[in-house]
Formats: sequence, structure tokens, C-alpha cells
Amino acid sequence: EAQVTQNPRYLITVTGKKLTVTCSQNMNHEYMSWYRQDPGLGLRQIYYSMNVEVTDKGDVPEGYKVSRKEKRNFPLILESPSPNQTSLYFCASSFRLDRDPWTEAFFGQGTRLTVV
Amino acid sequence: AQKVTQAQTEISVVEKEDVTLDCVYETRDTTYYLFWYKQPPSGELVFLIRRNSFDEQNEISGRYSWNFQKSTSSFNFTITASQVVDSAVYFCALSEFGANNLFFGTGTRLTVIP
Repeated sequence: EAQVTQNPRYLITVTGKKLTVTCSQNMNHEYMSWYRQDPGLGLRQIYYSMNVEVTDKGDVPEGYKVSRKEKRNFPLILESPSPNQTSLYFCASSFRLDRDPWTEAFFGQGTRLTVV
Repeated sequence: AQKVTQAQTEISVVEKEDVTLDCVYETRDTTYYLFWYKQPPSGELVFLIRRNSFDEQNEISGRYSWNFQKSTSSFNFTITASQVVDSAVYFCALSEFGANNLFFGTGTRLTVIP
């Protein structure tokens, strides 16, 4: 089954404690991206990756890091989480955007993060 | 710059009523893509439709229909004979060709009252 898998689904952590949210896709997609969803703001892009070892900032990258060492995985790293990073996070993947963009865009189930 | 406006923050309807969710977009590109996603209470994002800027045909899928009008930069979504299971947050989104982002509106929360 084609899917994007995020882990964990729910996480409560304390300020300053480093954490990683994993994202894995099984569709051989080149493009992967992270979004955060906040009330009244919709979804906003944090980082994206066009392919292995190619990553770039989205609209709200501050306080986040990513890596793309393998095509299937795109972890989101919060080195020193703060309460303003409490949010619902989504990972997305798609085939190359310069072909037929987002025709088969998949989103993970979401990770609800609370930083206290 | 691209922008998606969903002016309706919350809508409540009684079951079996028809409801239209509005989406107005801004883009300078001639090639772009419009989307609707559904987010049920469980939280996941469910893809509903993708429409490219060269295809202004309206689309119907069961009780769902979409009206794309380039003249008014709108891509509205109508649910006919609404059901309780339609209760969700609905997002309209835009992607310009070659862009690395899917740009979302702020969403409309639809509540269908039995």
C-alpha cells in the first residue's frame, strides 16, 4: 500500500529536549516536504527536499532541521524545541514537481507535538 | 506572490442541506494547480481534487462538485445533500508550476448537524 508514515503520532516533550519526527515513504518519490498546521493559519511549509541530499527552507524554517540521506526518509529535527513549536506536523511526498506536480501527492497521518 | 483565501471560517448546516465552500486565489502565473483537501476529526489530510489552470471544466464526483472560474479566481466546492460524515475542515490549496510549495488557505470548518 502506498503511504507516507510519520512517527510518532503524538508527542509531549519539554522545552529544550531535542527530538526527531520521522517520515518515510514507500513510493520512490523524489520530492518530500514538511508542513506545520496551526489554528487560523492553515498549513505552512517548513522545509522541502527535491531529492537525496537536496534540501531547502520553506516559509517557516526557524528552529527546525532536516536531512535527506536516503530517498525514502525525511526526518524533521527540533534541536531545542520551544512552546511556539507546539503544532500539528505533516510530511508530504510527491513525484518530481517539474513534471506533473502533485498528481500523486501523499500526506502522512500527522504528528501532534506539544512542547511544555 | 500566491495567496489562497477561504473567507468562511466556520459553517454549520443541517443534514441534507447543500453547502458551498468558497476559495479565492491569487497568482501571477498562467500555469498553476488548485486543490481541495478534507481533514476529518481524526486529523489526516484526504485529497479530494486537483485541477490545473487550463481546465476550467466543472467536476462532479458523487455529492461533491467543484466550480472553477478563472475570471473571478475562484475554485468553489459544493456538497449536495450534506451528511454528518462530511463534518471536517476543508482546505483549498494552490501550487504554481515549478514551485516547491503547496500553498494552503486557512481552512473552513464544516459542521453538519443531524
